[in-house]
Amino acid sequence: NAGVMQNPRHLVRRRGQEARLRCSPMKGHSHVYWYRQLPEEGLKFMVYLQKENIIDESGMPKERFSAEFPKEGPSILRIQQVVRGDSAAYFCASSPGTMDDEQFFGPGTRLTVL
Amino acid sequence: LAKTTQPISMDSYEGQEVNITCSHNNIATNDYITWYQQFPSQGPRFIIQGYKTKVTNEVASLFIPADRKSSTLSLPRVSLSDTAVYYCLVGWNSGNTPLVFGKGTRLSVIA
Repeated sequence: NAGVMQNPRHLVRRRGQEARLRCSPMKGHSHVYWYRQLPEEGLKFMVYLQKENIIDESGMPKERFSAEFPKEGPSILRIQQVVRGDSAAYFCASSPGTMDDEQFFGPGTRLTVL
Repeated sequence: LAKTTQPISMDSYEGQEVNITCSHNNIATNDYITWYQQFPSQGPRFIIQGYKTKVTNEVASLFIPADRKSSTLSLPRVSLSDTAVYYCLVGWNSGNTPLVFGKGTRLSVIA
């Protein structure tokens, strides 16, 4: 059973471009979380999704950021018109979604905005 | 959610036991205590979780006193490969709740 997959592992964008980060959860997992980590900081929760639904987006900036988890395919975190402050590591975690299950993290996507 | 306080960094020699203490003075009755490990350029990995007293698995032990206002992660006989950041999390840690990370403790194991 493959772990959580994220791609690309590294992404470089210029200011004003769009960044698309993809996350494929572990097989059988229907719940996905996105976290952002700045250098020397802990992970900060952004958004929690279940298939086709956003459960909690309280940690995601209201502008330029969006997330989806379609019925088919990976979850996508989309950042429009990137700015230098968006440079960070973005981690995805998945779980089956029940109270007794832990979250499994992917290797992350490191976004650099030039 | 309860706030946690951990040392920013710790150093240890190989083969020693390492104890990392986390303070969580306002922990709630329903909160669990969970520790994650993060290697450079990787996502965090679950180590251990407990509610009270002592929990032990193949990787670590977790000691939680009766008042639950602190907890100690114990790593027996560390090796160089244990060099990582260790995060203490407090809350209702489950598969359907966002995790709240602090800054963690950066453990450096020296040969």
